[in-house]
Amino acid sequence: DTGVSQDPRHKITKRGQNVTFRCDPISEHNRLYWYRQTLGQGPEFLTYFQNEAQLEKSRLLSDRFSAERPKGSFSTLEIQRTEQGDSAMYLCASRGPGGGNEQFFGPGTRLTVL
Amino acid sequence: AQKVTQAQTEISVVEKEDVTLDCVYETRDTTYYLFWYKQPPSGELVFLIRRNSFDEQNEISGRYSWNFQKSTSSFNFTITASQVVDSAVYFCALTIVLTGGGNKLTFGTGTQLKVEL
Repeated sequence: DTGVSQDPRHKITKRGQNVTFRCDPISEHNRLYWYRQTLGQGPEFLTYFQNEAQLEKSRLLSDRFSAERPKGSFSTLEIQRTEQGDSAMYLCASRGPGGGNEQFFGPGTRLTVL
Repeated sequence: AQKVTQAQTEISVVEKEDVTLDCVYETRDTTYYLFWYKQPPSGELVFLIRRNSFDEQNEISGRYSWNFQKSTSSFNFTITASQVVDSAVYFCALTIVLTGGGNKLTFGTGTQLKVEL
């Protein structure tokens, strides 16, 4: 059973460019989450999918951010017109059905906006 | 609103010492879950333990033990006989239930543990 994978692991971009990250959850995990972590802080919730439906979005997720999970498997997180404040680690987590509640995290994508 | 406080920013110990990481939480929900995660230098968050609000039984797993006290809203984590490999950032987290049965984790700011020889 493979864990959560994320691609790319690192992304450097110039301000104003668009970036897209991918997350592949643990197979058969129907719930998928995106978090953002800045230096010295704990992860902060961004959004949540159950299957293909996006059921919750944080106020942190501005209009420049969009997330999709088109077939209920992998998910993408796109940031348009990146700003330096978007520099952070973007973490994806998944959770299976049932009452376990624990989320399993991927290695993250570190974004640096120059 | 939910809040998790980890007052200890950084702790340094010598190998084989015991160390306790503190976690205090705030929530108005009567049903909630608490977690500890470990984040080693590689960056990936590793799940350690989950506790629900109705289970105050303390748990021991090898060198790890957890003390959950609802009366003080605390969920402390102790590592016995610490090892260099325990060096990492440890996060305490609280969850609430979202639409559709999902859950959002609210993390503390983490405690950096350094175990030296």
